Amino acid sequence: DTAVSQTPKYLVTQMGNDKSIKCEQNLGHDTMYWYKQDSKKFLKIMFSYNNKELIINETVPNRFSPKSPDKAHLNLHINSLELGDSAVYFCASSQGLGVQETQYFGPGTRLLVL
Amino acid sequence: AQKVTQAQTEISVVEKEDVTLDCVYETRDTTYYLFWYKQPPSGELVFLIRRNSFDEQNEISGRYSWNFQKSTSSFNFTITASQVVDSAVYFCALSDFKAAGNKLTFGGGTRVLVKP
Repeated sequence: DTAVSQTPKYLVTQMGNDKSIKCEQNLGHDTMYWYKQDSKKFLKIMFSYNNKELIINETVPNRFSPKSPDKAHLNLHINSLELGDSAVYFCASSQGLGVQETQYFGPGTRLLVL
Repeated sequence: AQKVTQAQTEISVVEKEDVTLDCVYETRDTTYYLFWYKQPPSGELVFLIRRNSFDEQNEISGRYSWNFQKSTSSFNFTITASQVVDSAVYFCALSDFKAAGNKLTFGGGTRVLVKP
């Protein structure tokens, strides 16, 4: 059983389109995250949610809108895609918000904007 | 502000050699946690270890070992008798109380290439 899953795994789309990435975790965790990994492999947090409440919004353009329908799901919707949005997007989850919590990552979604 | 530096961008070794990955961190907090993750060529991020700032004991897990030294703000990772399957990008990360919402700050990663 996959602990943190993401769909789709690959996403190729044209500039200006709107797309969504879905994330689900079956670990019973309360906290979920989105990270972006750029072409140089640098990982940076975008958002975190705890019990469906937004906790971190890390200077991400308004075109990115996360939605958490329940604790097990955190989706990422991107409007008006730009070339610079091409990256790998990772979803992660942890038991809670504590500094000691380990984050477990999904397999990543490779987004290519043409 | 939190910062994690992995000065080695790429290390190439021949199988069975030992390889040590350096990680230096910056934080003003006294309570923090350090992590290592592995990203194999398939792309997923695999959790390897978590260490808290109050526990400076070294840890060994099979061929992996970690050396935590608060005096030098370092948390280095050694792979003993490397194997081809160890080829991956390895990330060091930091979480501290001042990082709201359990934000992980990652280093830039070290790519390890193990040649047969």
